[in-house]
Amino acid sequence: DAGVIQSPRHEVTEMGQEVTLRCKPISGHDYLFWYRQTMMRGLELLIYFNNNVPIDDSGMPEDRFSAKMPNASFSTLKIQPSEPRDSAVYFCASSYGQPNPYEQYFGPGTRLTVT
Amino acid sequence: QQQVKQSPQSLIVQKGGISIINCAYENTAFDYFPWYQQFPGKGPALLIAIRPDVSEKKEGRFTISFNKSAKQFSLHIMDSQPGDSATYFCAATKDSSYKLIFGSGTRLLVRP
Repeated sequence: DAGVIQSPRHEVTEMGQEVTLRCKPISGHDYLFWYRQTMMRGLELLIYFNNNVPIDDSGMPEDRFSAKMPNASFSTLKIQPSEPRDSAVYFCASSYGQPNPYEQYFGPGTRLTVT
Repeated sequence: QQQVKQSPQSLIVQKGGISIINCAYENTAFDYFPWYQQFPGKGPALLIAIRPDVSEKKEGRFTISFNKSAKQFSLHIMDSQPGDSATYFCAATKDSSYKLIFGSGTRLLVRP
């Protein structure tokens, strides 16, 4: 298996622009997670899906952030409009869930820079 | 109560030495305690995990020690190698939840 695939790997955009990050989970995994990693706040869970349905979005910072999972093999995280404080590395992860909910497989991440 | 506190922030160890990273938690409902390893430019990868019903788990050179009464757990890397140089994150979660609460990370450097 190729693992979790994320694109793009790097994104540089100007403040106010829309940014879309993409993720393809590992085939057969029915949980998908979006995380954000910054020096100040560490690794934070933004939202997670089960069988394409959003289960918990309490970590989404504000209405500028939205995530979708139209099918089992694709998810997007959108920021509109983007702000410099959104600069971070965004990770997508997937898992089978039980019996090991902690066994999440992370993608390589998308480094987002908002100028 | 959701926090997981990790120390030290950084650690330098000589090759062959023992690396020790500590974590503490407050929420007694947590019942999974995994450790993740992250190399530069990569996503975190699961290293080893433990449930609170055991006090120790060993996999190769990596050992988790768990102290339920003190609400603390630690990662020991025996015979540390330069290839172990990475950032290590402890985490905690509940059986009923899929929300991993991560510690702040420890950057480990193993000198040759």
